[in-house]
Amino acid sequence: DSGVTQTPKHLITATGQRVTLRCSPRSGDLSVYWYQQSLDQGLQFLIQYYNGEERAKGNILERFSAQQFPDLHSELNLSSLELGDSALYFCASSVAGGPTDTQYFGPGTRLTVL
Amino acid sequence: GQSLEQPSEVTAVEGAIVQINCTYQTSGFYGLSWYQQHDGGAPTFLSYNALDGLEETGRFSSFLSRSDSYGYLLLQELQMKDSASYFCAVILDNYGQNFVFGPGTRLSVLP
Repeated sequence: DSGVTQTPKHLITATGQRVTLRCSPRSGDLSVYWYQQSLDQGLQFLIQYYNGEERAKGNILERFSAQQFPDLHSELNLSSLELGDSALYFCASSVAGGPTDTQYFGPGTRLTVL
Repeated sequence: GQSLEQPSEVTAVEGAIVQINCTYQTSGFYGLSWYQQHDGGAPTFLSYNALDGLEETGRFSSFLSRSDSYGYLLLQELQMKDSASYFCAVILDNYGQNFVFGPGTRLSVLP
């Protein structure tokens, strides 16, 4: 158990819908990351937050957005969902968000878009 | 664009040594990380190299050659529990952790 929690564990929805994925970092960690893992695209970094502010941005679509709240939990919002958005979404956290920090991954949210 | 290459599959027997290579072509480079992921599980961090050379952590070692844009993960004294997928990841800059991941190598350890 990494100490990072993600909810929900599974999510099934329809195309065109909007969903919110939630992540709580390990106690004491200030930085949160979001990743998408799919069979065709592999593991992709989406976005990183540090203490409430966006720090790094990867291959995140404009239909996706994220934020980190004052209590340091984070939410990833996915809108206008397409079949190709079906994937495993991981959240990770680290102490300070620097390049040498170890990231601890949560168990993931499996999103299925029908 | 960003490009990382890894072998798709590697098979070895218990007790053996295996090397998983990673070559990269990226717009920036700050360091190379390795992650392990068991089927159905989350990635777990294994190692990190920012400088050329070998980093050793128990049975696992990781090597980097920045001039060759190449690194590898060396797993010694293989155990059945090492059967998993292994990903290399390039950290593109030194501010955040903007990663690009390789496609992953599936390691199967046979008895």
